[in-house]
Amino acid sequence: ILNVEQSPQSLHVQEGDSTNFTCSFPSSNFYALHWYRWETAKSPEALFVMTLNGDEKKKGRISATLNTKEGYSYLYIKGSQPEDSATYLCALIYSGAGSYQLTFGKGTKLSVIP
Amino acid sequence: DGGITQSPKYLFRKEGQNVTLSCEQNLNHDAMYWYRQDPGQGLRLIYYSQIVNDFQKGDIAEGYSVSREKKESFPLTVTSAQKNPTAFYLCASSPGLATGGETQYFGPGTRLLVL
Repeated sequence: ILNVEQSPQSLHVQEGDSTNFTCSFPSSNFYALHWYRWETAKSPEALFVMTLNGDEKKKGRISATLNTKEGYSYLYIKGSQPEDSATYLCALIYSGAGSYQLTFGKGTKLSVIP
Repeated sequence: DGGITQSPKYLFRKEGQNVTLSCEQNLNHDAMYWYRQDPGQGLRLIYYSQIVNDFQKGDIAEGYSVSREKKESFPLTVTSAQKNPTAFYLCASSPGLATGGETQYFGPGTRLLVL
């Protein structure tokens, strides 16, 4: 089982602050990276699917970058709002062995303080 | 409304009992998945299915069984062989084959507790 590390495990930010967190992974056999947002009492919701080194994706105030050569992705939130409070999950797909299974990190829990 | 439904929301299992968790989707997706979440851990894949009448083991399939007789349904049975079944179970689906490049859509989850 491949290791996907997310840091920090949790963080608290004030409303209006910008923040970012990291997903680190082994770079060999990389195929795709997914970011999901999981709000309490709701289903995980897809944010981005990234496949190419240097990819940058944006959705409103949230953006993500991908570096497959060094094995990391950053998720940025600009001007955090209370509704951004959620656990952000990173998941990797590796090619090989004929399967394409998502391997999830443990998540980063973000709390935005009004 | 299109989406994924899971039932029940909470399920209690007695020792030695098999229980079945339901997952239904009306998104016309080919691929479906079952994940388990334990405190302090990431989601772990139990089983997945790319097409009707076909399914593959994930990382932690022991003690679980699935079926895929209909495209929209992918029930998970937690058997008595699963020694530590207490967890939160999530079902997901994706439009095409499980190639990895497609977004997965998740249900609301079922929490299984052992009495």
